[in-house]
Amino acid sequence: RKEVEQDPGPFNVPEGATVAFNCTYSNSASQSFFWYRQDCRKEPKLLMSVYSSGNEDGRFTAQLNRASQYISLLIRDSKLSDSATYLCVVPISGGYNKLIFGAGTRLAVHP
Amino acid sequence: DAGVIQSPRHEVTEMGQEVTLRCKPISGHNSLFWYRQTMMRGLELLIYFNNNVPIDDSGMPEDRFSAKMPNASFSTLKIQPSEPRDSAVYFCASIIPTFRGSNEQFFGPGTRLTVL
Repeated sequence: RKEVEQDPGPFNVPEGATVAFNCTYSNSASQSFFWYRQDCRKEPKLLMSVYSSGNEDGRFTAQLNRASQYISLLIRDSKLSDSATYLCVVPISGGYNKLIFGAGTRLAVHP
Repeated sequence: DAGVIQSPRHEVTEMGQEVTLRCKPISGHNSLFWYRQTMMRGLELLIYFNNNVPIDDSGMPEDRFSAKMPNASFSTLKIQPSEPRDSAVYFCASIIPTFRGSNEQFFGPGTRLTVL
């Protein structure tokens, strides 16, 4: 099993739609999780951190299910500007901030 | 704040040539990471430094790759000799810990390397 697994997509949705991505991880000791966003031909940037059961930031909600070892990202009222690749990120325990990135889920929002 | 700076932004070279990628982390950040991104393999960690000391280089593909961090404000990733399969985008990232031991890594714009 890969350390971090994501559905690559693409998810093609109309503006205003609600879309959800899931991510599974293998290291049960991981305590915190992250979603990064990467625009085409750009660098990844932190979107949200998830430290407990979940986190909400405007239209974005991240949830964590430790028992099943998966993390989800929900985007409500999708905008054209949400089109990007969303990377699920899991730290490696043991310090030094080493991260394992998922392959990413591509989202395309159309008019 | 200038962010993480990488140079060059684009590099096209011929197989067998030496390639040197450069990175300047954000001032005050004490950890630096080198990644490689391809369509097939996604974003892979190559090596990372903490306080200028290499901590984990298990992601370095082979002996043709080497990385150095001579001081807190500069790091290089060198490929010698380069091969076409090294073609990728190479990112440098740096981090400053927070009270949660935050893992927010700040990425540079990347170097797009093409080896012909």
